[in-house]
Amino acid sequence: GAGVSQSPSNKVTEKGKDVELRCDPISGHTALYWYRQSLGQGLEFLIYFQGNSAPDKSGLPSDRFSAERTGGSVSTLTIQRTQQEDSAVYLCASTWGGSYEQYFGPGTRLTVT
Amino acid sequence: GENVEQHPSTLSVQEGDSAVIKCTYSDSASNYFPWYKQELGKRPQLIIDIRSNVGEKKDQRIAVTLNKTAKHFSLHITETQPEDSAVYFCAASTEGANNLFFGTGTRLTVIP
Repeated sequence: GAGVSQSPSNKVTEKGKDVELRCDPISGHTALYWYRQSLGQGLEFLIYFQGNSAPDKSGLPSDRFSAERTGGSVSTLTIQRTQQEDSAVYLCASTWGGSYEQYFGPGTRLTVT
Repeated sequence: GENVEQHPSTLSVQEGDSAVIKCTYSDSASNYFPWYKQELGKRPQLIIDIRSNVGEKKDQRIAVTLNKTAKHFSLHITETQPEDSAVYFCAASTEGANNLFFGTGTRLTVIP
């Protein structure tokens, strides 16, 4: 079946602009995660959605970052007033409630100039 | 919170040799330890995981060992092949917790 998809695959934006990154999880997966991967670094947890529960936003680095998940499916990560240090690959992952294996999307490479 | 450290950051081995990657964690409540493989330009994929009720798990050429007392776990790849070349990430989590804490990754290069 279809895996996790993300769009766009690449995004170049000017410093100060807002960006929206989209994640389509695997159908039926109730949990959705956003991670950030800076060059040569590990995966940094950003936010987690599980069903209709309030999201765990503990990993968001600043109030410029926000995310929502509509209808328990598609999620959008928004970065306002982008900064150069926001440049990274943003990965989305999903899983179903009874599993801990996270299925990752291909990521969105964000470059802030 | 949990802190996962991973070593080495880079590792080169000759084809056919074994490779070992080590991770330590800080939170004694962590009880789930997956390993992900990320090939160049691709997404991370789970290759093996272990829970704290076992000390070792093996899947063909890949094995993971866990020492809960010392709070460290290791990935062992035997008879390495060029297609094993990738970045490997360890992670730790508490079952029921919301997220995985990842190590910084090990870039493995298998030299033909």
